[in-house]
Amino acid sequence: AQTVTQSQPEMSVQEAETVTLSCTYDTSESDYYLFWYKQPPSRQMILVIRQEAYKQQNATENRFSVNFQKAAKSFSLKISDSQLGDAAMYFCAYSGGSNYKLTFGKGTLLTVNP
Amino acid sequence: GAGVSQSPSNKVTEKGKDVELRCDPISGHTALYWYRQRLGQGLEFLIYFQGNSAPDKSGLPSDRFSAERTGESVSTLTIQRTQQEDSAVYLCASSPLWTYQETQYFGPGTRLLVL
Repeated sequence: AQTVTQSQPEMSVQEAETVTLSCTYDTSESDYYLFWYKQPPSRQMILVIRQEAYKQQNATENRFSVNFQKAAKSFSLKISDSQLGDAAMYFCAYSGGSNYKLTFGKGTLLTVNP
Repeated sequence: GAGVSQSPSNKVTEKGKDVELRCDPISGHTALYWYRQRLGQGLEFLIYFQGNSAPDKSGLPSDRFSAERTGESVSTLTIQRTQQEDSAVYLCASSPLWTYQETQYFGPGTRLLVL
């Protein structure tokens, strides 16, 4: 069975600085997708970034980028120039093969200090 | 366009009562998912609908939980004889197709509190 682990229950960062959130996963599938979702207090899950396992190039979306290490099964999220609006719960998620449903980690609560 | 909507936003019920939660997916999305999020936890998969095929109910925690979907539109999640451990946020998501490559778009969830 696939598992997703986020080892940092909480992280904090100063406004305008950079922070990296960690995620590791376990799977026997050869092709799969990895996602980072953001959940602010409004509860709405918002897609931040996604990565296909077959693509060697790390995905980027404006201030958000990932460091995807397939052999190590690691998928970290880097947030540059952190803004107050980035404060939220961040979830790493996996889907792959016959597993169309998302498997989530337990989340990392990010605080942005002004 | 409109996103995924869910109702009610919040629901308080007494133990033993039945509740019905509603999800309106994005128009044209053939796949619909229900997840449960307990306090301080990640999301747990409950059930999945793909078009007119039989749903995948493998995540439902007990036979008190059931869900229906009419075609490719509205879905309802019903919890019978609610228990305090059913208290959670119930999130619905939809995607254009039923493959693992698709991004799932989430609604705002229904927060259920069982007293």
